[in-house]
Amino acid sequence: NAGVTQTPKFRVLKTGQSMTLLCAQDMNHEYMYWYRQDPGMGLRLIHYSVGEGTTAKGEVPDGYNVSRLKKQNFLLGLESAAPSQTSVYFCASSDRQARVMGETQYFGPGTRLLVL
Amino acid sequence: AQTVTQSQPEMSVQEAETVTLSCTYDTSESDYYLFWYKQPPSRQMILVIRQEAYKQQNATENRFSVNFQKAAKSFSLKISDSQLGDAAMYFCAYRSAQGGANSKLTFGKGITLSVRP
Repeated sequence: NAGVTQTPKFRVLKTGQSMTLLCAQDMNHEYMYWYRQDPGMGLRLIHYSVGEGTTAKGEVPDGYNVSRLKKQNFLLGLESAAPSQTSVYFCASSDRQARVMGETQYFGPGTRLLVL
Repeated sequence: AQTVTQSQPEMSVQEAETVTLSCTYDTSESDYYLFWYKQPPSRQMILVIRQEAYKQQNATENRFSVNFQKAAKSFSLKISDSQLGDAAMYFCAYRSAQGGANSKLTFGKGITLSVRP
């Protein structure tokens, strides 16, 4: 099992450009999450999904959109990138059955995004 | 809303010694999970240890153990026999035991641990 994978690993954007970050998991997990990590801020939740076809806003959703068309994939989109979106982005997944290992979130390796 | 506080931004420990990383949290829930994640320079988030709030016994994983004080809402991580590979940023995190929209993790700001040879 590859676990949670993220594409790309690193990207440089100019202000106003758009891009999509892809997260894929092969553990058949129901729940998927997108976090951003900034220095001194820990990880903050952007959006999450509790199942295929459903998404919801997290703590810092502005400027981002997401889609979960397939259970194994969770896409994070930036329609018009801004320098404030320079960050490291982490995807994570967990199982719905919280009492059976489900409470553990498994993280991807991260995507470093630089917006100039 | 739940909050997680890690008040020490940095700590240092001598190799082979013991170090304790502090974490406090605030919640009105009685059933939840607490985690410590390690993030080495590779940036990969690695689960170190987890604690179920309904269990009174403190979790232990090899050299890592926690001191879970539910009434005080405190969750500290003790690393025994520190090794150079323990140098990393450590995050404390909280998760509700409820599913669905409450399944997200709330993280502290992290603490950078350095290990002196």
